[in-house]
Amino acid sequence: GENVEQHPSTLSVQEGDSAVIKCTYSDSASNYFPWYKQELGKRPQLIIDIRSNVGEKKDQRIAVTLNKTAKHFSLHITETQPEDSAVYFCAASNGGSGNTGKLIFGQGTTLQVKP
Amino acid sequence: DGGITQSPKYLFRKEGQNVTLSCEQNLNHDAMYWYRQDPGQGLRLIYYSQIVNDFQKGDIAEGYSVSREKKESFPLTVTSAQKNPTAFYLCASRTGTATGELFFGEGSRLTVL
Repeated sequence: GENVEQHPSTLSVQEGDSAVIKCTYSDSASNYFPWYKQELGKRPQLIIDIRSNVGEKKDQRIAVTLNKTAKHFSLHITETQPEDSAVYFCAASNGGSGNTGKLIFGQGTTLQVKP
Repeated sequence: DGGITQSPKYLFRKEGQNVTLSCEQNLNHDAMYWYRQDPGQGLRLIYYSQIVNDFQKGDIAEGYSVSREKKESFPLTVTSAQKNPTAFYLCASRTGTATGELFFGEGSRLTVL
């Protein structure tokens, strides 16, 4: 089955710096890759997602890149702010015909942005 | 107010007792999921259901059971067979498409004494 590996497990940056979180997946049929943010004591929420027909997607300070050949995708946060501090999860699923609807998550990255 | 509701938020039980966690959604979503969250292990899939009266095992289904008798409800029972049940449990739902956004409940923290 699908396996998603996420690195690093913790990341500490200075406010204003960039942060990069990387994930690799095992199932070459996976074609949907969302990222979720979980603030302390709150539920995870979708922040950005990418489908396998594109290589990059941006939304203000957040971007996600996908390399299908290498089976890895990354989250990039620029100009980090203290409110970006949270746990970030990557995930992967196969959204094609005959899909099982399973969304498999990585282990999570705790991002700390120091003021 | 649309959303997904989990109860109870905190639950304490003695070892050997079965417990049932409730999950209700009024988003008219077809698919519902149960995840377990442990520090350093991310969100691991326990069970999921894409349609009423049907559900599939996830990666860590042993010691858990579910039912999906109504579209709105997907309760999870943690049985005495689950070796390490103390954890944070998250329920989620989404539309029938496998690429739709997953909406999570606020979670239930189970502590087995």
